[in-house]
Amino acid sequence: KNEVEQSPQNLTAQEGEFITINCSYSVGISALHWLQQHPGGGIVSLFMLSSGKKKHGRLIATINIQEKHSSLHITASHPRDSAVYICAGGGADGLTFGKGTHLIIQP
Amino acid sequence: NAGVTQTPKFQVLKTGQSMTLQCAQDMNHEYMSWYRQDPGMGLRLIHYSVGAGITDQGEVPNGYNVSRSTTEDFPLRLLSAAPSQTSVYFCASSPHGRYGYTFGSGTRLTVV
Repeated sequence: KNEVEQSPQNLTAQEGEFITINCSYSVGISALHWLQQHPGGGIVSLFMLSSGKKKHGRLIATINIQEKHSSLHITASHPRDSAVYICAGGGADGLTFGKGTHLIIQP
Repeated sequence: NAGVTQTPKFQVLKTGQSMTLQCAQDMNHEYMSWYRQDPGMGLRLIHYSVGAGITDQGEVPNGYNVSRSTTEDFPLRLLSAAPSQTSVYFCASSPHGRYGYTFGSGTRLTVV
């Protein structure tokens, strides 16, 4: 069974801080997804990684295949980044999700 | 493009009632899937489909049926609703299941 572990569960930071969310996954996962869920409940796909690093605006996602570990970084964090960030492993039969990181950025 | 459309957004059912949650996508994606999201449990895969006519079970399939008669539609059926099926349900699609996913806006279901 595929497994995905995410940390921290909750994170509160001040505006402008550099944010890191970590994700570890098991053998059998071939791609790693980072998702964002806002308080309204909608889920948006941020990144899909199978190797290396991707960047979109202030968001950066990295993956280390040998260590089966991925990180999501937010630079110059802003209150509008407050959301739940979810790591998910993609395998042959769909996604296996971490339990999410509830991020609050205070002004 | 509408993306992935889920209906209804909210539903209250009595125990034992049946209903169908609708999911439609207009992106010609082969892969479609249903998830439920419960507090403290995260999102869990219910059923998925890799193309029209093909479906398979996910992690929590009991109490749910699916079919995929067209590429566009992937309905989720609750045959006899139970309070344990109170949850938020998301449908998602992907070109091949290993690429980026597009999620519907969710259906909040309460079974009383």
